[in-house]
Amino acid sequence: GNSVTQMEGPVTLSEEAFLTINCTYTATGYPSLFWYVQYPGEGLQLLLKATKADDKGSNKGFEATYRKETTSFHLEKGSVQVSDSAVYFCALFTQGGSEKLVFGKGTKLTVNP
Amino acid sequence: GAVVSQHPSWVICKSGTSVKIECRSLDFQATTMFWYRQFPKQSLMLMATSNEGSKATYEQGVEKDKFLINHASLTLSTLTVTSAHPEDSSFYICSGKTSSYEQYFGPGTRLTVT
Repeated sequence: GNSVTQMEGPVTLSEEAFLTINCTYTATGYPSLFWYVQYPGEGLQLLLKATKADDKGSNKGFEATYRKETTSFHLEKGSVQVSDSAVYFCALFTQGGSEKLVFGKGTKLTVNP
Repeated sequence: GAVVSQHPSWVICKSGTSVKIECRSLDFQATTMFWYRQFPKQSLMLMATSNEGSKATYEQGVEKDKFLINHASLTLSTLTVTSAHPEDSSFYICSGKTSSYEQYFGPGTRLTVT
């Protein structure tokens, strides 16, 4: 079945540090890949997405590239801010199957000033 | 992006009572809505898939008689927790799926059962 594996947190960084959160997936077919962000006490917000191999999703300085050969979709940001502190979820979706989002377990990021 | 609202954002109820949570897609029509439950510091657990005009499909282990889901229109789905107990206390999040298969999430409802 489909599954998503994220690096376990928590991750603690200083402001302006480089961020990488690893995400790998297992899927039948050709999934679309997503990163969602959840700020404290809130629901999930779509951060970025990629729908096919070699696509790069980007938003708010975050980037992730759909790597089919390594089945990965790692999230990166060159310089994090305190306001980036949140929980980040990697997810995949495949059409024609159950058509449900499959989430990773989430990675909590804390950015200190 | 598309907007999904939930009401209430926070509710406290006594054990044995029922609570209804509303999920609305404000600027798109969602033929499919999903209900999730999230425990502290954990990922989202899909409870059920709700299709407009038909019965919800529940995930294994979710009691359909306890968690009643109604999707009466393309913009509204409701989750009713019947005879709530303290173990039902959780953060409930809904999402709506657009025609392009993207999902947009509501802000969540925190339920506390005393």
